[in-house]
Amino acid sequence: GESVGLHLPTLSVQEGDNSIINCAYSNSASDYFIWYKQESGKGPQFIIDIRSNMDKRQGQRVTVLLNKTVKHLSLQIAATQPGDSAVYFCAESDTGNQFYFGTGTSLTVIP
Amino acid sequence: DSGVTQTPKHLITATGQRVTLRCSPRSGDLSVYWYQQSLDQGLQFLIQYYNGEERAKGNILERFSAQQFPDLHSELNLSSLELGDSALYFCASSAPGTGETQYFGPGTRLLVL
Repeated sequence: GESVGLHLPTLSVQEGDNSIINCAYSNSASDYFIWYKQESGKGPQFIIDIRSNMDKRQGQRVTVLLNKTVKHLSLQIAATQPGDSAVYFCAESDTGNQFYFGTGTSLTVIP
Repeated sequence: DSGVTQTPKHLITATGQRVTLRCSPRSGDLSVYWYQQSLDQGLQFLIQYYNGEERAKGNILERFSAQQFPDLHSELNLSSLELGDSALYFCASSAPGTGETQYFGPGTRLLVL
């Protein structure tokens, strides 16, 4: 089966600092990757995605980097805010139909 | 608000019972996905339907089944419930096409006593 893992289960950052959340995947055929944010008591919320023909994509305060050579994905959050505190999941797919999620990283923003 | 709705929000039942969880996808979305989220296993893909037909199957137990109706809403049926089935069950939907972003509903929290 697929294997999507996160390097760190928890991350604490000071408000205003940048956050980096990492994710490793094992399927070299995966061609579509998504980062989700899940706040307590809510469903996962789409943040940003990237396809395998790109190595970087930027959104509002977020950047996703994809390194296909080492099968690594990262999410960078600029100027982290208290509202960014949540669990962040990466997900991968090679078929577009089935997505495999990592176990998640819990981000805590310290005011 | 993702546009995906799920009912009920909470469900408490006993072992051996059967429950049905309901999901309405975003307007225009043809695909519906079901996931189970437990504390120790993260998000586990269960099954996907596309325009009424089963498209992909993940780690779904034989005691569980799903269907998607002509109006595109979907139901997940869980039978012979066990304590270990207690979890959050999420539904997601996506637009037609492969590799489209999935938008998640708020989930149904199931507690089996």
